Amino acid sequence: GAVVSQHPSRVICKSGTSVKIECRSLDFQATTMFWYRQFPKQSLMLMATSNEGSKATYEQGVEKDKFLINHASLTLSTLTVTSAHPEDSSFYICSPARASGTYEQYFGPGTRLTVT
Amino acid sequence: GDSVTQMEGPVTLSEEAFLTINCTYTATGYPSLFWYVQYPGEGLQLLLKATKADDKGSNKGFEATYRKETTSFHLEKGSVQVSDSAVYFCALRAGGTSYGKLTFGQGTILTVHP
Repeated sequence: GAVVSQHPSRVICKSGTSVKIECRSLDFQATTMFWYRQFPKQSLMLMATSNEGSKATYEQGVEKDKFLINHASLTLSTLTVTSAHPEDSSFYICSPARASGTYEQYFGPGTRLTVT
Repeated sequence: GDSVTQMEGPVTLSEEAFLTINCTYTATGYPSLFWYVQYPGEGLQLLLKATKADDKGSNKGFEATYRKETTSFHLEKGSVQVSDSAVYFCALRAGGTSYGKLTFGQGTILTVHP
């Protein structure tokens, strides 16, 4: 499978600050990027979908001004949690995908965000 | 909307035991069904998939059959190993599309003891 990296793997920040999470697809070009959020013992919930060079499409209930997604290149996407609060503490997972003959979708290892 | 329900874990087994993790779904049309596995510290990996009714997906000794009549996609393995310890996710993708978002179950933690 493809190699996907996320940075940082863990981050602790204070309430009110912003945190940027990077997702890189190291060996393929991701035309689409999905960002998921996972609460303990719960499912992965899709937050937003972005296509390279376009604005992200957010799922219902996800604040687009709070969770800023940038997909400026085919190998890099970022998720910025702005003015973080303790309820934003979660596990964030990126999932790059491409459609080239067959559809391929992969997952990053995730970033654990803790807001104190 | 679409949804996936997995049996609650954690599941703890001895090595060489038989494994079943139940998965049922609700969706319109004919979704594609998937099992993903997440090993500690790693991202989700596709384990197997089935795209139409009665298809059987298999990989690494794991199997799951797409049962439309019971809307199920149960994961089975005849003899588990310690290295199978991981979190397993059942997922679906809406029918009629070969790409697009996945809807996941809540995950089942499997621990296999020697």
